[in-house]
Amino acid sequence: KAGVTQTPRYLIKTRGQQVTLSCSPISGHRSVSWYQQTPGQGLQFLFEYFSETQRNKGNFPGRFSGRQFSNSRSEMNVSTLELGDSALYLCASSWGQGGYEQYFGPGTRLTVT
Amino acid sequence: AQRVTQPEKLLSVFKGAPVELKCNYSYSGSPELFWYVQYSRQRLQLLLRHISRESIKGFTADLNKGETSFHLKKPFAQEEDSAMYYCAPILGVGSGGSNYKLTFGKGTLLTVNP
Repeated sequence: KAGVTQTPRYLIKTRGQQVTLSCSPISGHRSVSWYQQTPGQGLQFLFEYFSETQRNKGNFPGRFSGRQFSNSRSEMNVSTLELGDSALYLCASSWGQGGYEQYFGPGTRLTVT
Repeated sequence: AQRVTQPEKLLSVFKGAPVELKCNYSYSGSPELFWYVQYSRQRLQLLLRHISRESIKGFTADLNKGETSFHLKKPFAQEEDSAMYYCAPILGVGSGGSNYKLTFGKGTLLTVNP
């Protein structure tokens, strides 16, 4: 089975811009979760999508949003980028919702200048 | 408040020495617990889950409900064990699965010296 893929792998944006990240889960997995990883805060949960519906959300501002398509692929959008949004954004897929064993993608490294 | 704590940010041992990576959680229920590992330049991956009670790469983890701990142990560390280790219980409130999520600790960077 192909693993979780994320595009793009690297991204450089300037403050105020918006960005969209994409995640393709493992075939058959219906849940996609997004995490932000930074040296200071570690891995922080952003949100989880299951069957095209957001099922769970972490403590992030409304500038962070996402969606899931009928083929389980997911996108994450960050609007009005801030310097503090610079991070590695990880996507993980699992068979079920609510924290089943998760399989992680390689991440998208976002740098905001 | 529900949280997971990994008290050691860094842990350094010599090859062949025993290693224990600590994890404590604060939760009123009986969570399912996982250990994830991230080797250098590799993606985050599952190391083991407590429900399976198996040993992976020589590592075991015992759930102590009284102490609410889920420490990861290996009797003889190897240099290839050097990595970042994350304890991750599933925490949430209410019934059903919609409010439950994998909650990661800050991680412990293990270095095994030759």
